[in-house]
Amino acid sequence: EAGVTQFPSHSVIEKGQTVTLRCDPISGHDNLYWYRRVMGKEIKFLLHFVKESKQDESGMPNNRFLAERTGGTYSTLKVQPAELEDSGVYFCASSQPANYGYTFGSGTRLTVV
Amino acid sequence: KQEVTQIPAALSVPEGENLVLNCSFTDSAIYNLQWFRQDPGKGLTSLLLIQSSQREQTSGRLNASLDKSSGRSTLYIAASQPGDSATYLCAVKGSNYQLIWGAGTKLIIKP
Repeated sequence: EAGVTQFPSHSVIEKGQTVTLRCDPISGHDNLYWYRRVMGKEIKFLLHFVKESKQDESGMPNNRFLAERTGGTYSTLKVQPAELEDSGVYFCASSQPANYGYTFGSGTRLTVV
Repeated sequence: KQEVTQIPAALSVPEGENLVLNCSFTDSAIYNLQWFRQDPGKGLTSLLLIQSSQREQTSGRLNASLDKSSGRSTLYIAASQPGDSATYLCAVKGSNYQLIWGAGTKLIIKP
């Protein structure tokens, strides 16, 4: 069984640019989550999809962040325009069912300069 | 509001020792607790998952316990090896399906 796949693994962009992160969950997992860890802080929840619907987006920091999951398969997380404080590692995870354990991807390290 | 604390923040022990990492949480209404490992620059690897109805889980040299009523979990590593060096993270899942994370314990096993 293929795991959760994220790409790119690293991204360096300038302040004000746009970046799109992608996550492919484990096939058949309806639940997809985005988390991030900014420097020196704990990992924090961003949002939760159930299939293509946003179940919980209470962790999204502001409207510069847009997550989509068209067709209930892979998900994208777009940051536009990127700010310096957006730098960190963005993790994606999937689970089935929602109250079971998570499988995480290897993360995308985003650096905004 | 759920808060997760991990003690110690860092630990350095000689190879071969048995060790215990601690995780505490403030709200006992959880679905499960999961221990993860993170190697420098790498992703999160799930080590053990304990459902709220369970008391412990074992995998190889790892054993995790859960005491929901007291809000505590421990991760026991037997016969530690240099390859065990990593950051160990504890996370609890509540009724909103969000994982609340501890800050981690950075473990160094000295050869």
